[in-house]
Amino acid sequence: GAVVSQHPSWVICKSGTSVKIECRSLDFQATTMFWYRQFPKQSLMLMATSNEGSKATYEQGVEKDKFLINHASLTLSTLTVTSAHPEDSSFYICSARWFRTSESYEQYFGPGTRLTVT
Amino acid sequence: GQNIDQPTEMTATEGAIVQINCTYQTSGFNGLFWYQQHAGEAPTFLSYNVLDGLEEKGRFSSFLSRSKGYSYLLLKELQMKDSASYLCAVMDSNYQLIWGAGTKLIIKP
Repeated sequence: GAVVSQHPSWVICKSGTSVKIECRSLDFQATTMFWYRQFPKQSLMLMATSNEGSKATYEQGVEKDKFLINHASLTLSTLTVTSAHPEDSSFYICSARWFRTSESYEQYFGPGTRLTVT
Repeated sequence: GQNIDQPTEMTATEGAIVQINCTYQTSGFNGLFWYQQHAGEAPTFLSYNVLDGLEEKGRFSSFLSRSKGYSYLLLKELQMKDSASYLCAVMDSNYQLIWGAGTKLIIKP
């Protein structure tokens, strides 16, 4: 299957600082990338969808000024958590979609980034 | 509204077979996905069904009935490493994935 990398794997930061998470599709060009958040023992929660070269579409309840998403190329998307607070501590997972054929879509996940805000 | 239902938790014995069901009601349908997620890790892709029928891939098989809004994931010859959460997701008419809450599968020796 296709490979999606995410960096860093884990990060600890102080309250009030900003953290940037990178998501790369390594062996394919991703038409769309997704950012999810997952709290312990809960299901994935979609935060935003981004298409290369355009602004991200945020889900209801997700602050776009707090979670900045940049999708500069078909292989790279970044999520910046600005002015992080302890309640932002979570597992952040990116996903990249690959239109394998005109009738087949596959979506692969990065390994996730565990963010802890102290 | 859109809804994906799957059991919260299931328990099975090592070496046995288990079937995890998923029913869905979505606005449009562009395929159904199954993912495996181990605790503390990101989901990994297992299968994708867009046509009715059974897709077999090694010990794992996935079935889809679009008319019934129903799918199942069948795991054979269960191994301890299969203990994980299994997520069912449907791609709707806007090509967005609608996620189920996941089924936690516990394998006992």
